[in-house]
Amino acid sequence: AQSVAQPEDQVNVAEGNPLTVKCTYSVSGNPYLFWYVQYPNRGLQFLLKYITGDNLVKGSYGFEAEFNKSQTSFHLKKPSALVSDSALYFCAVRDLNSGGYQKVTFGTGTKLQVIP
Amino acid sequence: DAGITQSPRYKITETGRQVTLMCHQTWSHSYMFWYRQDLGHGLRLIYYSAAADITDKGEVSDGYVVSRSKTENFPLTLESATRSQTSVYFCASSELNHEQYFGPGTRLTVT
Repeated sequence: AQSVAQPEDQVNVAEGNPLTVKCTYSVSGNPYLFWYVQYPNRGLQFLLKYITGDNLVKGSYGFEAEFNKSQTSFHLKKPSALVSDSALYFCAVRDLNSGGYQKVTFGTGTKLQVIP
Repeated sequence: DAGITQSPRYKITETGRQVTLMCHQTWSHSYMFWYRQDLGHGLRLIYYSAAADITDKGEVSDGYVVSRSKTENFPLTLESATRSQTSVYFCASSELNHEQYFGPGTRLTVT
């Protein structure tokens, strides 16, 4: 079975400071990892993904994520937070080695609040 | 317009009534999904479809029915709505092994 954990319900950061939103995962095979963002009253929007290759993945809006296999983590980062980054962030995982349709499991989300 | 749309955006219905939520995508993606979003639970998969006329249950499918006669449409029906089905429902589409694209959601209230 696969699972994903976002240990923080909310993260507060001052505008201009670096931000990190944490995600850890569990899969039996190799992971396919995603980050999505949700703004109020909107659907989720894809930010970035990791399948293989470079452990640092760059995505939309200046976000990046670092894959760490030994720690089974995929933390989302941004060097300098903007007030407009305030939103709900979801981590998701899929097991690349499972057969049939490979269901994606979403975390429960982390609310990012960027303080002006 | 290209993309994925859902209708209605808001719906209030009574317990026991049948309700259908519509989803339409213009990308011709093979896969389509229905999720519900509830506080503390994140997103939970209700049903998914790998192609027209191919559907399968997700983790919370009881009380829901889907169909997919055309690639672009994936309606979700609540056969007899219950208060526990009050939620925000999201439709999504993707190609195999790719990221999902989500619709704007339908906020359903069952009274």
